[in-house]
Amino acid sequence: QQQVKQSPQSLIVQKGGISIINCAYENTAFDYFPWYQQFPGKGPALLIAIRPDVSEKKEGRFTISFNKSAKQFSLHIMDSQPGDSATYFCAAVTQGGSEKLVFGKGTKLTVNP
Amino acid sequence: ETGVTQSPTHLIKTRGQQVTLRCSSQSGHNTVSWYQQALGQGPQFIFQYYREEENGRGNFPPRFSGLQFPNYSSELNVNALELDDSALYLCASSLAGVFGNTIYFGEGSWLTVV
Repeated sequence: QQQVKQSPQSLIVQKGGISIINCAYENTAFDYFPWYQQFPGKGPALLIAIRPDVSEKKEGRFTISFNKSAKQFSLHIMDSQPGDSATYFCAAVTQGGSEKLVFGKGTKLTVNP
Repeated sequence: ETGVTQSPTHLIKTRGQQVTLRCSSQSGHNTVSWYQQALGQGPQFIFQYYREEENGRGNFPPRFSGLQFPNYSSELNVNALELDDSALYLCASSLAGVFGNTIYFGEGSWLTVV
């Protein structure tokens, strides 16, 4: 059972465009939703994260939108750059207890110059 | 840099062998988790250690085992290696009990089983 569903699987965007990646979750016990960026051969790096009591969080060109009632959240990358080309993973976790991260399957983003 | 270091970075083992992977957590972090990331997939939770005790386990067989030491470094041991164990193994450290706690990943250990 996949608890976090991520789409699209791959995304190609032109430089300067907006990249949008969507995730949906099932477990309402999740209370923290981080996004990770992973370059080839590297470990995932935390990009931005949100709590469910906030509808939007922005850090630089990266914005998370969160819809608690729909159990959906999305990552928007504004003014996408070739250096943003990487695989992006959404994740969800229940803080306390084992704090196990449940990841989506990832979105491979390619930003063309 | 996340302050989480893993070794070795790459290794090749033969089916049926045993492997030990090591992780040094970020200073001050008392929780370490291990994840398996198959090629083209998201990381899958293997288990977590908190203050040297296992504190949650994912859907992995008992031949996957671990240790956490008093200095919060950790080991992942895999016995009777199978071809499907070929993957990137990631260590993640965090500070338990802090809401909005950031979980930091190391660069991973690439394991190839032949």
